[in-house]
Amino acid sequence: QKEVEQNSGPLSVPEGAIASLNCTYSDRGSQSFFWYRQYSGKSPELIMSIYSNGDKEDGRFTAQLNKASQYVSLLIRDSQPSDSATYLCAPGMDSSYKLIFGSGTRLLVRP
Amino acid sequence: GAGVSQSPRYKVAKRGQDVALRCDPISGHVSLFWYQQALGQGPEFLTYFQNEAQLDKSGLPSDRFFAERPEGSVSTLKIQRTQQEDSAVYLCASSLRTANSNQPQHFGDGTRLSIL
Repeated sequence: QKEVEQNSGPLSVPEGAIASLNCTYSDRGSQSFFWYRQYSGKSPELIMSIYSNGDKEDGRFTAQLNKASQYVSLLIRDSQPSDSATYLCAPGMDSSYKLIFGSGTRLLVRP
Repeated sequence: GAGVSQSPRYKVAKRGQDVALRCDPISGHVSLFWYQQALGQGPEFLTYFQNEAQLDKSGLPSDRFFAERPEGSVSTLKIQRTQQEDSAVYLCASSLRTANSNQPQHFGDGTRLSIL
């Protein structure tokens, strides 16, 4: 079992819809969770961080964390074509600075 | 500069050659990380520096890989006797303080290395 699992996609949604990206992780000791967006040929860009169970909203983005289920998700409301990218989930492992990245989910937003 | 800067952006080398990849972190950032990203995969951790000290090199694939940060700012990742499997994007990231699991890391655009 991989340490971080993400559906590779592509996840295709129409413009204006809600995109839902999911991630499961294996280390119960993970304390922090990061979502990075990566455009093709570009560096990963931090878009959300979440540390506590529940929801965290920032503009069109909402991160949801359920530590009991070892599950974290990212919702993108009112999806735009410019949101088309690969989204990487990265738990911060317990007592560690290492980010363990999933393989990413490719999102396509159709105009 | 405002962000993490890496050079060169692209590097092509013949198998067996040595290469050196440079990273300029965000000014004042204590922590510096190197990652390797294969096509279609997420970044994989290679090594971590706190200032000039290399505290973790557990992710380096072999003894052909060597990293340094002698003055606690610029870092160089060196790969000796390159092999085709070394072809990947090498990403550098930095964070402001001593790294712990809650520190966001800021990435450079990477160096795309191709070994022929």
